Amino acid sequence: QSALTQPASVSGSPGQSITISCTGTSSNVGSYNFVSWYQQHPGNAPKLMIYEVTKRPSGVSSRFSGSKSGKTASLTISGLQAEDEAYYYCCSFEGRGTSWVFGGGTKLTVL
Amino acid sequence: VQLQESGPGLVTPSQTLSLTCTVSGDSISSGDYYWTWIRQLPGKGLEWIGYIFYTGTTYYSPSLKSRITLSIDTSTHQFSLDLSAFTAADTAIYYCARGSVTAAFDIWGQGTLVTVSS
Repeated sequence: QSALTQPASVSGSPGQSITISCTGTSSNVGSYNFVSWYQQHPGNAPKLMIYEVTKRPSGVSSRFSGSKSGKTASLTISGLQAEDEAYYYCCSFEGRGTSWVFGGGTKLTVL
Repeated sequence: VQLQESGPGLVTPSQTLSLTCTVSGDSISSGDYYWTWIRQLPGKGLEWIGYIFYTGTTYYSPSLKSRITLSIDTSTHQFSLDLSAFTAADTAIYYCARGSVTAAFDIWGQGTLVTVSS
């Protein structure tokens, strides 16, 4: 059981937008703006896509955006492309214990 | 910047897993980063194991704290993970990663699969 809750799967057609939610607690997502998102293609290491809730690292497409409301963070991918098909993981700093917690991952299928 | 894990792919039950991560292209002695271990259990999500600063200060996952030791050798640009009392439940892909002041992991190694030997 992961500390952060994500839907197991989401899907969308090319060109559409999808949103993946990530629900935590007052010990992590609800208290800190240190939420990050990672994309993982099968056989590869995770890749940082969003950090500090809304910021994109250099080189990450502007089609990826993040937000947060209360204890739930979200990743939105607009203009879906076939290459976006992957697993997505959210992560949050957790003050209790000074640690990091991850979501269980969401499989994105581009139809 | 590149990170590369190295270590055994098989561990005898109850023995200690020892992995090393070699950092190239960046200074492991930078105070801007913390050097992290994360694992991915088969078919499951990611689990943060712990991190170490260049000073040797460490923070460990509460659930693994009793079995983990992290160390760092700035002269060889390496940091290491020791996980004692290895069991089948520890079978996973182990990643080393660079954490930054943004509390995100921006550079990852390719990962190394470690399984328990029968």
